[in-house]
Amino acid sequence: DIQLTQSPSFLSASVGDRVTITCRASQGISISLAWYQQKPGKAPRLLIYAASTLQSGVPSRFSGSGSGTEFTLTISSLQPEDFATYYCQQLNSYPSSITFGQGTRLEIK
Amino acid sequence: QVQLVESGGGVVQPGGSLRLSCATSGFAFTSYGFFWVRQAPGKGLEWVAYIRYDGSKKDYADSVKGRFTISRDNSKNTVYLQMNSLRAEDTAMYYCARPPCTDNICRFDYWGQGTLVTVSS
Repeated sequence: DIQLTQSPSFLSASVGDRVTITCRASQGISISLAWYQQKPGKAPRLLIYAASTLQSGVPSRFSGSGSGTEFTLTISSLQPEDFATYYCQQLNSYPSSITFGQGTRLEIK
Repeated sequence: QVQLVESGGGVVQPGGSLRLSCATSGFAFTSYGFFWVRQAPGKGLEWVAYIRYDGSKKDYADSVKGRFTISRDNSKNTVYLQMNSLRAEDTAMYYCARPPCTDNICRFDYWGQGTLVTVSS
């Protein structure tokens, strides 16, 4: 199975900060990567797919980039509602053996 | 609007069985495959099972293969997960998710709210 490693696992930041989360794949996955946001007690919410395509309704402060084995999720100016856990997901092996990163917890400094 | 609503979770003893349901509405059910994804308490997300739009292909994570069965009823717009021989490590919130694919670009665009399964004696 393709492994995804997110860094950092924990991030403390302030409202207005620019933050970047990295996701590295154990082998090349082209652009078959998605990013999700999850708040406590809620289901994940799709933010980005195909590495850089913004899901409809998601604010433009979220952006994604990368291809192959290294990907990033950037939030350009943190808002209070952005404090959550973020997961990357690879769909290169769709529909089998889809995997998620271990998550990055973003907390208020 | 698109809705996925899971039900059927609960507390069950090790070795027991449960059947989860995912009732859907607001879109053309027969055009989509579906996934079940689970999340153990305080942990990350894990793919569990997949069923193709017409039910002709099913696949399972190694951790549940031979114990769980995914199915669908197109007349009821509902997806099921039959879970047998449950173990403590199956304790988790179980989500169903819709994975549209366009030009081989896939993503999970809608998720249900989840149903909690607790395996404990």
